[in-house]
Amino acid sequence: EPEVTQTPSHQVTQMGQEVILRCVPISNHLYFYWYRQILGQKVEFLVSFYNNEISEKSEIFDDQFSVERPDGSNFTLKIRSTKLEDSAMYFCASSERRGGPNEQYFGPGTRLTVT
Amino acid sequence: DQQVKQNSPSLSVQEGRISILNCDYTNSMFDYFLWYKKYPAEGPTFLISISSIKDKNEDGRFTVFLNKSAKHLSLHIVPSQPGDSAVYFCAASDQSNTGKLIFGQGTTLQVKP
Repeated sequence: EPEVTQTPSHQVTQMGQEVILRCVPISNHLYFYWYRQILGQKVEFLVSFYNNEISEKSEIFDDQFSVERPDGSNFTLKIRSTKLEDSAMYFCASSERRGGPNEQYFGPGTRLTVT
Repeated sequence: DQQVKQNSPSLSVQEGRISILNCDYTNSMFDYFLWYKKYPAEGPTFLISISSIKDKNEDGRFTVFLNKSAKHLSLHIVPSQPGDSAVYFCAASDQSNTGKLIFGQGTTLQVKP
């Protein structure tokens, strides 16, 4: 069964450093997303991406964040200068459709720890 | 801005009995609702969904009920099994077609053998 994969599973970085989280969405999916979950809190939407453009981004997704689909398979989230409060689980998701029944399939997540 | 709320942080049921997980929402523009299940150290796994034009959707042991007038939905699991023990998230999407899902806080279900 096709699945979303994410690397690395755990990333430790120092405050102010840049990190890139990588995702390989399901191959026939066209819509891609990043979410995060701070420990003990709800899963929060960060950004949606389609046709090489951001469709929507949340207030969390400020100028420190960027997304890219550098090739036909990878989807990346970059945080330019990490802050302590960026520590969270980051989930990538993909879907076949955008509206209506857009069941999104999630990867296993990357645990980002900023020290 | 809690547009999707799961007011019960935890639920414990006996194996074989029914589990009922509840979810309330405030945004009448939501047109699609989904339930996800999450085990520790894994991503959310899609379980079942329902369109706002329906009031019930069933898939095996899982049934989702939607009461639009009350802005309430529930997930029924019958019969509950120990392997169902996980965190269950309710999520909603609106008609903006950006695909954004808004999640509730989650309910931890424990099914006791």
